[in-house]
Parts: sequence; C-alpha cells; structure tokens
Amino acid sequence: QLQLQESGPGLVKPSETLSLTCTVSGGSISNNMYYWAWIRQPPGKGLQWIGSIYYRGSTYYNPSLKSRVTISVDTSKSQFSLKLSSATAADAALYYCARHKIVGATGGIDYWGQGTLITVSS
Amino acid sequence: DIQMTQSPSSLSASVGDRVTITCRASQSIYSYLNWYQQKPGKAPKLLIYAASSLQSGVPSRFSGSGSGTDFTLTISSLQPEDFATYYCQQSYNTPRALTFGGGTKVEIK
Repeated sequence: QLQLQESGPGLVKPSETLSLTCTVSGGSISNNMYYWAWIRQPPGKGLQWIGSIYYRGSTYYNPSLKSRVTISVDTSKSQFSLKLSSATAADAALYYCARHKIVGATGGIDYWGQGTLITVSS
Repeated sequence: DIQMTQSPSSLSASVGDRVTITCRASQSIYSYLNWYQQKPGKAPKLLIYAASSLQSGVPSRFSGSGSGTDFTLTISSLQPEDFATYYCQQSYNTPRALTFGGGTKVEIK
C-alpha cells in the first residue's frame, strides 16, 4: 500500500522560507504514470493546488504562487520537497503531499499524505 | 485559467435522502472531472474520476455524471458516514494545473 508522509517545521517566521518534504513508501516515486503534488488547505477553507513534479524533475506550479515556489525530487531517497519563500500569514495552512496521474482522463489524485499544519508567526 | 464553481456551498439532508451536488467549469473540460470526499481532520478521498468512473472501493451509492461544463455528484441514499465536504476538481490540463471547486458541506438535517 502506497504511503505518503509529510515532514518539516510546523512553525515558520514571516518572510522566511517554508520547507517541507514528502517521503513515499510502499511504491516507486519513479513510476512513469504519476506526478507528485503539493496541495494546501487554509483552516476552514478549500483546497489549493501548489504544484506538481515528475520523477525526472519537470515541474508545474500554480501561477498565483509560481514566483515563490520550488518543488524538487530526490528519487534516491524516494522524496520530493516544497520550498515556499517569503512566507506570510496567508500561507498558514494544512499542507498535503499527493499523487496524481500524468493524464487527467485516467484518474484523479488517488493517494494523499495525512497533512502537516504550518503556522506562520514570529 | 479554468474556474470551478460548486453549488450549493452547503446543504442539510437526512439519512436515506438522495443528494445532488453540482459543479460547473468556466470552459469545457470534456469529462476531465473528479470528485472527492473530505471528513474533518482527514485528507480528501477520491470518489469519482473521469466524471463517472467509480474509484475502487467506493460504495455504489455514489455516482457522477456530466460532460463539457456541467457535472453532478449524486448520493442515492445518504448514509451517516457520508456527512462530509465534497470537492470537484478539473484534470483537463493536468499536470499544468489542477483546480478545485469551493466545496459543498453536507450536514445532518
């Protein structure tokens, strides 16, 4: 059974960089049928896609966050990571890592991590 | 950018009721539409993909329909465990963009 687990500091100071890592187990991060994504959910609000990465390193980002986001992958560790610079209170949210098909017609986001809560405060 | 609009934003229903949730896309997304269920404190769970295909393990009381810009999620007979928030998501331009609807909270009447 595939499992995804987010890790990283739960508290980030304003203007600093939020950094999270997702560790994939029970399956291969190098599966050529899937992208790996970061999705966030502010408390009491809806879901926002942050960006996705393929195991070979190609990335796509939400245009509203693109200037501050970097997603990278380390296949040797079966991990992918998120960096979000210049954090503000608006970035406080539950951050999920997840997996989705490379072709939208064949499936949705089928595996999710449990989520990690990020607070932005000095 | 494709915008996704769900309605209603919340509804109250009783166990056994038939429940319908609507999702509208700002442009045609053919059948590239997925539905998720999220319970408090949990990650979303994929219910329906490609507008009408039931994800493995999902009860058959859940069904999806629609194409183009208008889509529907139907729960044929609401069960106690179905009280949750439901989200639609377009996958037309996966992986370049994944967009969610605003969510529909299904509450106990």
